[in-house]
Amino acid sequence: DSGVTQTPKHLITATGQRVTLRCSPRSGDLSVYWYQQSLDQGLQFLIQYYNGEERAKGNILERFSAQQFPDLHSELNLSSLELGDSALYFCASSFMTSGRVSEQFFGPGTRLTVL
Amino acid sequence: GQNIDQPTEMTATEGAIVQINCTYQTSGFNGLFWYQQHAGEAPTFLSYNVLDGLEEKGRFSSFLSRSKGYSYLLLKELQMKDSASYLCAVEGATSGTYKYIFGTGTRLKVLA
Repeated sequence: DSGVTQTPKHLITATGQRVTLRCSPRSGDLSVYWYQQSLDQGLQFLIQYYNGEERAKGNILERFSAQQFPDLHSELNLSSLELGDSALYFCASSFMTSGRVSEQFFGPGTRLTVL
Repeated sequence: GQNIDQPTEMTATEGAIVQINCTYQTSGFNGLFWYQQHAGEAPTFLSYNVLDGLEEKGRFSSFLSRSKGYSYLLLKELQMKDSASYLCAVEGATSGTYKYIFGTGTRLKVLA
């Protein structure tokens, strides 16, 4: 158990819908990362927040958005869902200070199925 | 651009040593990570290199050459439970913007 929690574990929805994925980082970790992992692609970095502020951005679609709240939990919002958005979405957290890189601890993931 | 290459699959025998290579291209290199991912599970951290050289951690070692854009993960005394995907990942920065790039992973099969 990494200490990172993600809810829900599974999500099934229809095209065009909007969903919210939730992540709680390990106690003490200030940084949260979101990743998408599809069967035919590797792990794709979406976005990183550090202490409430956006720190890094990957290939995140405009239909996707995220935020980190004052209690450090984070939400990833996916809207206008398409079939191709079906994937495993991981959240990870790390303890970062002044830009120093540290290892990431991954949550168990949310499996999103868009029908 | 930013890119990571690693072999798709490797097979090795229990008790043997295997080396998984990773080459990368990135600007503003901040560090290289290796993660292990069992099928259907989340990745777990194995090692981190930011300076050239070898980092050893039990049965696992990771090597980095920044000038060559090259790293390898060395697994010794292979066990059946080491059958998993091994992901090479790099943190890079372009114009103050950070990014994390993951390779597609090397699927390692350990045979008895």
